[in-house]
Formats: sequence, structure tokens, C-alpha cells
Amino acid sequence: QSALTQPASVSGSPGQSITISCTGTSSDVGSYNLVSWYQQHPGKAPKLMIYEVSKRPSGVSNRFSGSKSGNTASLTISGLQAEDEADYYCCSYAGISALVVFGGGTKLTVL
Amino acid sequence: QITLKESGPTLVKPTQTLTLTCTFSGFSLTTSAVGVGWIRQPPGKALEWLALIYWDDDKRYSPSLKSRLTITKDTSKNQVVLTMTNMDPVDTATYYCAHWVLGATNFDPWGQGTLVTVSS
Repeated sequence: QSALTQPASVSGSPGQSITISCTGTSSDVGSYNLVSWYQQHPGKAPKLMIYEVSKRPSGVSNRFSGSKSGNTASLTISGLQAEDEADYYCCSYAGISALVVFGGGTKLTVL
Repeated sequence: QITLKESGPTLVKPTQTLTLTCTFSGFSLTTSAVGVGWIRQPPGKALEWLALIYWDDDKRYSPSLKSRLTITKDTSKNQVVLTMTNMDPVDTATYYCAHWVLGATNFDPWGQGTLVTVSS
């Protein structure tokens, strides 16, 4: 059970859009439409931003969207705002025994 | 409103056993499809799922740590307990518990986390 692969860092200017990729395998991302994304500000607990690939929990801005193609899931943040600067982690269901696997995390910097 | 809070020692010695308690409110672990999971995060590093217990006492463990972990629940106290044996300095991390719903397959919400340092 290996961690999902994410870029270590991405950056963008206010108002721009960025996309964070999350690459897994046919045993996790590729097999289930059960990818979630978490936002984590420094010193804080993670917060669910996207679940089941593209669904947003109540209260999460529609600037956040998710998608998946094959073994790779993506999180897109449009209209970047300073408050979006945080670490982002993807997570995929990986079967009944392994349950879930997290990505290595991506640090988003808003320039 | 669902809330969870972790508690336990902040410092343990190598080879000791760590016992962490997650106390929650706003849901019941007797409700079908509900679970509580544990996730940890070493300083400056990524999240790692550890264990999860379901309403029906079904338990799941990270394959890489399964031999060291035990998860139990006390529904009368609204608590979930995680024990990890043979602690090592590499186990130094913030440990989180989180609410899980079967089918939704996501952790939401999370507790605030508790930092555990392993050092002699």
C-alpha cells in the first residue's frame, strides 16, 4: 500500500486557477470513485473539501472542484484567494482491507 | 454538531505502549454505518491512516502497522481507544481521530489532534 503521488508544491496568483494532481493505481484511485480531498492550514486539523471525486460538502466554496481520469484524480481551485494557501491531501478508498491511502500532500502558495 | 477530541500522553518512551482516547459527541457508534478512525501526521510530513472501528465492532488496520495496533470502542462513554505497542521515535506525530460513514468513505470531521513525542 503506497501513498498516492502529489506534487510537493503548486503556486498561483490571486484570481487564478490551479490544479493539484493525485496519482494512484488500479487498486485505489483507478478502481473506485471514492477520492476525497482535505485542506489543512498550519497547526490545524484537516478539513474535508471534496468527496466521491467531485462532490462538495455543505459550506465548501464552489471554487473547489474535483475530477478523475484513470488512476489520477485532480483538485482544481478557481479564483484563488489568500485564504486558500494551505496543504492539500488527496485520499482514496483502497479496498476492504487497506481501506484508505493518503497522498503525500501539496503545499499551495498564493503569490 | 459532531465533535471529536483526542487525549493521551504527550511523551512516551521508546518500547512503551501508547494509549490514546477519542471522545466524541453528536453521533452514536451504535448507529449503522458509522465509524471512527485514527490518522497520524509526523511533524512536517503527510497524513497516514492507522485504524478504524465500525458500529458493529468490525475493525480495520493499516497493513503496515497492523501488528502493533488495537482499536476498541466504549459506546456507553462515546469513546474509541487506540493502542500502539513498541513505540519508536519515528512514531512521533500528531494523532487525529475522525468520524467516518460507510459508503461516504471520507473522514469528516476531525478532532483537533494530539501531539505525541517518543523520546527517552
